[in-house]
Amino acid sequence: KAGVTQTPRYLIKTRGQQVTLSCSPISGHRSVSWYQQTPGQGLQFLFEYFSETQRNKGNFPGRFSGRQFSNSRSEMNVSTLELGDSALYLCASSLGNQVDTQYFGPGTRLTVL
Amino acid sequence: AQSVTQLDSQVPVFEEAPVELRCNYSSSVSVYLFWYVQYPNQGLQLLLKYLSGSTLVESINGFEAEFNKSQTSFHLRKPSVHISDTAEYFCAVSGDQAGTALIFGKGTTLSVSS
Repeated sequence: KAGVTQTPRYLIKTRGQQVTLSCSPISGHRSVSWYQQTPGQGLQFLFEYFSETQRNKGNFPGRFSGRQFSNSRSEMNVSTLELGDSALYLCASSLGNQVDTQYFGPGTRLTVL
Repeated sequence: AQSVTQLDSQVPVFEEAPVELRCNYSSSVSVYLFWYVQYPNQGLQLLLKYLSGSTLVESINGFEAEFNKSQTSFHLRKPSVHISDTAEYFCAVSGDQAGTALIFGKGTTLSVSS
C-alpha cells in the first residue's frame, strides 16, 4: 500500500505571498490532519478533515485554511505569508477514529523569505 | 485543556545502554497515549500506543512504555539501545474533542554513540 504523499517537498516563498500544499492519504483513509512543526513550538495541530468536512481546528489564525476532496486528498492554504510561517508541514491520514494509527507523510518544508 | 511534557530535550547514551524517555500528560478526560519517532528528514512513525487494558505496551523493535494513571506518565524505555535508535521521539495524547487531533510534547532527541 502506498504511504502518505505530500507535494511539494520543498517550497520557498516571500512574505505576503500565498501557498498551497497538497496531501494524498493512504487509500481507504478518510481522515487527514495537518500539523506545523517548528524548532520553537514543536508539533502543533492545524486542522483535521473527515469526509470533506473540517472536524477539528487548532489555534491558528484564519490565514491557514484547508479543504478535502471527495477522494480524501487534502490541500492546505496559507495566505499572506509571514516569516514565522517557515516550518515543516506534516499531514497524517487515518481511518478516522481516535484509536486509529495516524500515518504521517514526509512533510513539506516551507521557507518564507 | 490537554498538554504533554517531555522532561528531557536531549538524552545522550552509549550503545547497548538502557534508556528512559520521560513523558507526563495532563487531561481531565480518559486519554489515548502515543509515542512517535522521527528519523532525520522523515515524517513521524508510530512506535507504540496505549488505548486500554494492560498498562505495559511494547513495540516490535524492543521499546516499551508503561501507562501510569496516578502519576499521569507514559515513559518510554528500552533495555539496550542501538546506534540506529538515534532519532527524535515524541509523546502525544489524543485530543478531547471529536476527531483525531494529537497533542504532542516538544520531543526528546535520543543520541546513541559507540
